[in-house]
Amino acid sequence: EPEVTQTPSHQVTQMGQEVILRCVPISNHLYFYWYRQILGQKVEFLVSFYNNEISEKSEIFDDQFSVERPDGSNFTLKIRSTKLEDSAMYFCASMLLAGGSSYNEQFFGPGTRLTVL
Amino acid sequence: AQSVTQLDSHVSVSEGTPVLLRCNYSSSYSPSLFWYVQHPNKGLQLLLKYTSAATLVKGINGFEAEFKKSETSFHLTKPSAHMSDAAEYFCVVSPWQGGKLIFGQGTELSVKP
Repeated sequence: EPEVTQTPSHQVTQMGQEVILRCVPISNHLYFYWYRQILGQKVEFLVSFYNNEISEKSEIFDDQFSVERPDGSNFTLKIRSTKLEDSAMYFCASMLLAGGSSYNEQFFGPGTRLTVL
Repeated sequence: AQSVTQLDSHVSVSEGTPVLLRCNYSSSYSPSLFWYVQHPNKGLQLLLKYTSAATLVKGINGFEAEFKKSETSFHLTKPSAHMSDAAEYFCVVSPWQGGKLIFGQGTELSVKP
């Protein structure tokens, strides 16, 4: 069964460093998402991406964050200068856009745990 | 604005007994509601969804949920808990299909032998 994959599973970085979190969505999906979960808090939406552009973003997704689909398979989240408060589990999700009234499910990857020291 | 509130942060049941995980939602229009489950070191998996069809929704692994508009609730139930049900459960609302998912705080379900 196709699934969303994410690498690395755990990333440790120093404050101020740039990190890139990678996701491979399900191959025929067209909508892509990033969410994060700070330890002990709820899962929060960061950004959605469709047709090679951001379709929606949250207040969390400031200028330090960017997303890219550099080729036909990867979807990346870049944090330019990490802060201690960026430490969290980051989840990628993808969704097939289908016509009609059938609901489209977001499929989630296993997450990348980012630790900023 | 849409939101969900999960009324219990932790629920503990014995194997073979019923499970009830409570969720209330707030929405200015007809919502799409979901329950996701997260097992340790795994991604989030969709258990079931309500999208304005039948109010009683059946999901995977014997779970079901009932949408009650008058009570703004979408509680998750299962008649008989199994050890493998131990996980974190999230009630989720979506303002529109394809849009962001808004998560509740999560309920950790423990199942005792």
